[in-house]
Amino acid sequence: AQSVTQLGSHVSVSEGALVLLRCNYSSSVPPYLFWYVQYPNQGLQLLLKYTSAATLVKGINGFEAEFKKSETSFHLTKPSAHMSDAAEYFCAVRASGSNTGKLIFGQGTTLQVKP
Amino acid sequence: KAGVTQTPRYLIKTRGQQVTLSCSPISGHRSVSWYQQTPGQGLQFLFEYFSETQRNKGNFPGRFSGRQFSNSRSEMNVSTLELGDSALYLCASSLGLAKTQETQYFGPGTRLLVL
Repeated sequence: AQSVTQLGSHVSVSEGALVLLRCNYSSSVPPYLFWYVQYPNQGLQLLLKYTSAATLVKGINGFEAEFKKSETSFHLTKPSAHMSDAAEYFCAVRASGSNTGKLIFGQGTTLQVKP
Repeated sequence: KAGVTQTPRYLIKTRGQQVTLSCSPISGHRSVSWYQQTPGQGLQFLFEYFSETQRNKGNFPGRFSGRQFSNSRSEMNVSTLELGDSALYLCASSLGLAKTQETQYFGPGTRLLVL
């Protein structure tokens, strides 16, 4: 069974600082991984997805994530935080080879950006 | 293209009542999934429909049901509402090919409050 663990329910950074949001997955088969962002009172927006084509994935708004099989991790980073990055971030996994679109989400990490 | 739309956006019900939520997927998308989001449990998969057939179901009681119409629009129904059903209900659509790199696009959600 697949699962996702996001380390740290709240992360606080200063504007201009590095953003690092951690995600570890558990999967018995090659996973397909996603990062979504949720702004207050809105739905989820896809930031990026790992599809095995490349281990370093670039997404929207300057975010990127690196897939590390040896560490079963898919951490999200951004070199310089903006105030507009304050939101909740979700890591999700979907099993490869399955006839379903079901996503399994981590518990989410709230990113606070201080001026 | 218009995004995923959900109606209504906000709903207040009392215990014991039933509720129906609606989701219109992106044009051309044939798969619709539903998720429940609560502060305590996070994002949990409810069910997935493809071509009017339920493809997958999450671990929710039978009070939660859904259906999909021939135009891919979907509804979910919750009968005999309980206080714990208060949540944000998110709908997501995808092409439905069940390819692992396929993206699910989320609607803004329906916020249900049960009093």
